[in-house]
Amino acid sequence: AQSVTQPDIHITVSEGASLELRCNYSYGATPYLFWYVQSPGQGLQLLLKYFSGDTLVQGIKGFEAEFKRSQSSFNLRKPSVHWSDAAEYFCAVELTGGGNKLTFGTGTQLKVEL
Amino acid sequence: GAVVSQHPSRVICKSGTSVKIECRSLDFQATTMFWYRQFPKQSLMLMATSNEGSKATYEQGVEKDKFLINHASLTLSTLTVTSAHPEDSSFYICSASRGGGTDTQYFGPGTRLTVL
Repeated sequence: AQSVTQPDIHITVSEGASLELRCNYSYGATPYLFWYVQSPGQGLQLLLKYFSGDTLVQGIKGFEAEFKRSQSSFNLRKPSVHWSDAAEYFCAVELTGGGNKLTFGTGTQLKVEL
Repeated sequence: GAVVSQHPSRVICKSGTSVKIECRSLDFQATTMFWYRQFPKQSLMLMATSNEGSKATYEQGVEKDKFLINHASLTLSTLTVTSAHPEDSSFYICSASRGGGTDTQYFGPGTRLTVL
C-alpha cells in the first residue's frame, strides 16, 4: 500500500530563516504530489502540486518543492519564513488514475519564533 | 474562487443521537466530494468518496450504516453520523473537486463533533 512519511512532527524556526519540510512516499510508480497547509479554523489550503515536468515546483506564499525520483521525496522549502507561516503542513499523494483520492502524511507542525 | 463551506463548525450531542454535517461548494459545481476524519495530532483519513447522484464509495473499515453520505446536488453533500457515540468524536473535513482526473480538491474548514 502506498504511504506518505513526514519524519518531522514538529519544527521550530526563527523568523527570516530558511525552512525545509521533508516528505517521502512509498509507491511503485510516481504519484501526483501535493503540499497543503492547515491553519486553525481554516480549511486545508493547497500550496503547490506536482504532476509531471519540471521537478522544481513553485507555489503560493513563496513556497517551492522539489521532486526527487531517486529519493522518493517531495520536500517543501521556503527561503525566508514569516511568522504567519506557523501552521500544520501536510504532504499528500494521489495515485495516477486513482480517482482523485489523496493519502496524507501525518503532518508537520511549524512554529516560528520571532 | 473555489470556496467550500461546512456547517456546523462545531457540534456537541448526546450519545445515541444523530448529527448531520453539511458541505457546500459555494462558487463551483462539485462533481466529486470527499469526507475525511482527522484525529487530534494525526493525519486526515479518507472516509468516503461521493459523486453527485451516486452512492458513496466507502473506504475499508468505515461503516456505511454509521456514516451516511448523501450527495444530492452539485453543490451539497451531507454526512450524517447515526447513533453517535463518544468514539465518533472527531474533526470531520470535506473537500470538493470539479471532476475526476487531476482536479484539485478544495477543503472545507471542518466540523468538530463532540459526543457526550
